[in-house]
Amino acid sequence: SQQGEEDPQALSIQEGENATMNCSYKTSINNLQWYRQNSGRGLVHLILIRSNEREKHSGRLRVTLDTSKKSSSLLITASRAADTASYFCATDESGYSTLTFGKGTMLLVSP
Amino acid sequence: NAGVTQTPKFQVLKTGQSMTLQCAQDMNHEYMSWYRQDPGMGLRLIHYSVGAGITDQGEVPNGYNVSRSTTEDFPLRLLSAAPSQTSVYFCASSYGSRGNGYTFGSGTRLTVV
Repeated sequence: SQQGEEDPQALSIQEGENATMNCSYKTSINNLQWYRQNSGRGLVHLILIRSNEREKHSGRLRVTLDTSKKSSSLLITASRAADTASYFCATDESGYSTLTFGKGTMLLVSP
Repeated sequence: NAGVTQTPKFQVLKTGQSMTLQCAQDMNHEYMSWYRQDPGMGLRLIHYSVGAGITDQGEVPNGYNVSRSTTEDFPLRLLSAAPSQTSVYFCASSYGSRGNGYTFGSGTRLTVV
């Protein structure tokens, strides 16, 4: 069963704009992770935020986690055409790293 | 480092045939998993392993077997292929709770006719 649900399903922006994607989940988690998938490729790990953390940064990425609302957001600042991809949130409920993925957000960044 | 290597990249099977999807990692990762990705469904966990000799079922294990005889290898066996197993299969590995996310292979695109 799907744990995470990303919103929106698709997002189209211009280069230089910021992109925000949201993820909601249903049960308690150990950590939440965000992955990127370029078309036809494997997934690439972007960032992991643990349940006792509220915000984390990595380069142009900013992730927030609100465990009381069971939600997370991924912000990509100053988007580039190369950021065009699908983005997935994944929750690790047990700490055994068995991830449960959402269906993803397709991001299109136009030059 | 090669990371996570999956073979083959593409495969066409006839219904009822069996085959093994290979997965190898050279990062000394404890945890390994198999996922399938279907359009509109995201990724779903098939089987996982937290170390050599230890495996367990995920969300969609029916029709698949795994074994973990070494830390490096985690093959996925399709026992009797069915059209419903047409999918893209991803193997992934991680240091587990000590680590920082999974490393994914490039996938195997399987078609069952």
